[in-house]
Amino acid sequence: NAGVTQTPKFQVLKTGQSMTLQCAQDMNHNSMYWYRQDPGMGLRLIYYSASEGTTDKGEVPNGYNVSRLNKREFSLRLESAAPSQTSVYFCASSEEAREGYGYTFGSGTRLTVV
Amino acid sequence: AQSVAQPEDQVNVAEGNPLTVKCTYSVSGNPYLFWYVQYPNRGLQFLLKYITGDNLVKGSYGFEAEFNKSQTSFHLKKPSALVSDSALYFCAVRDWGINKFYFGSGTKLNVKP
Repeated sequence: NAGVTQTPKFQVLKTGQSMTLQCAQDMNHNSMYWYRQDPGMGLRLIYYSASEGTTDKGEVPNGYNVSRLNKREFSLRLESAAPSQTSVYFCASSEEAREGYGYTFGSGTRLTVV
Repeated sequence: AQSVAQPEDQVNVAEGNPLTVKCTYSVSGNPYLFWYVQYPNRGLQFLLKYITGDNLVKGSYGFEAEFNKSQTSFHLKKPSALVSDSALYFCAVRDWGINKFYFGSGTKLNVKP
């Protein structure tokens, strides 16, 4: 089925370890996003990519890096994981980075840092 | 600054009764408003959006939302709730020319049989 695919679905890391969350979409969307979801705080934007070859910081970029590998793929990297990064991470894509276009979300990655 | 507020953490409704999930917004320009639903262990799914035109917007699964510019609100409604509507609902606003969504904190809807 067409959509946004995230891997892995679950991950436990030790403090200081690194990992990369993968995201791919097959809808030929131009824009891609990474959000984190924490209880009572809704979704907060980490990084986004308005189009292939560009990336920009969102609300909470510290401790993360991203790569827009091609039009389909947008990865999120934690270089040195901290307990504060325990969260559910969602990747999303949008046809255009413009006002009337909504998002399609992946099913999320539940990350625990111990 | 752009923001979205969902004043209720949780809404409880009996099956068959009407439901309302509240949302207010603050944007500097024209608001583009969205509602998303999240079922357990799933990503967010699009329900409906307001861009322009009729203030009453109809969406998926029988939901609708009313845009009220004077009250800066965009409340989600359904005439008759189902147990299967139980989920987490997010209101979001996308501001003119800004390549970002601003999400509310979410409202958990519980529909009891």
